[in-house]
Amino acid sequence: DIQMTHSPSTLSASVGDRVTITCRASQSISSWLAWYQQKPGKAPKLLIYKASNLESGVPSRFSGSGSGTEFSLTITSLQPDDFATYYCQQYNSYPLTFGGGTKVDI
Amino acid sequence: EVYLLESGGGLVQPGGSLRLSCAASGFTFRSYAMHWVRQAPGRGLEWVSGIGGSDGNTYYADSVKGRFTISRDNSKNTVFLQMNSLRGEDTAIYFCARASSSPLFDYWGRGTLLTVSS
Repeated sequence: DIQMTHSPSTLSASVGDRVTITCRASQSISSWLAWYQQKPGKAPKLLIYKASNLESGVPSRFSGSGSGTEFSLTITSLQPDDFATYYCQQYNSYPLTFGGGTKVDI
Repeated sequence: EVYLLESGGGLVQPGGSLRLSCAASGFTFRSYAMHWVRQAPGRGLEWVSGIGGSDGNTYYADSVKGRFTISRDNSKNTVFLQMNSLRGEDTAIYFCARASSSPLFDYWGRGTLLTVSS
């Protein structure tokens, strides 16, 4: 199985900060990576697919990059609505796997 | 508008069985793969199972293989998860999710809670 590892697991930031979250895959997944945002008590929301493609309706302050085994999600100018937990997911092969998540808090 | 509504969660004793349902609307159901993803209390996301749209191919996480069965009824726009031999570690919120053209999840339901406890 492909293991996905987030770093950091928790990130403290302020409104207006530039934030970068990293996700590493245990083997190459090409660009088959998605990023989700989840707020407490809510379902996850798709942000980024194929490593760097912004899902429709997602603000342009979110961006993704990377390929192979190293990926990142960047939020430029963090907004109050962005405080949440972020998960990466590989869909290169089954079983599909998620990273453990990065919680972005104040 | 795409809408997914899970139902069927509840309290079950270890070793018991339960069937979850997910009713879909707002899209051509038979054209999309559907998946179940779960989240144990205070934990991260775990993919559980998926089923193809037209081909009906099924996929399972190792943790549920042989115990859970995913199925769909395209005439009723519903996907099911039959869960047998339930364990405490199956306790989680179970989300139904639609897969886009690839197995990533563009729409999610609100989830249904399964608690396995005596």
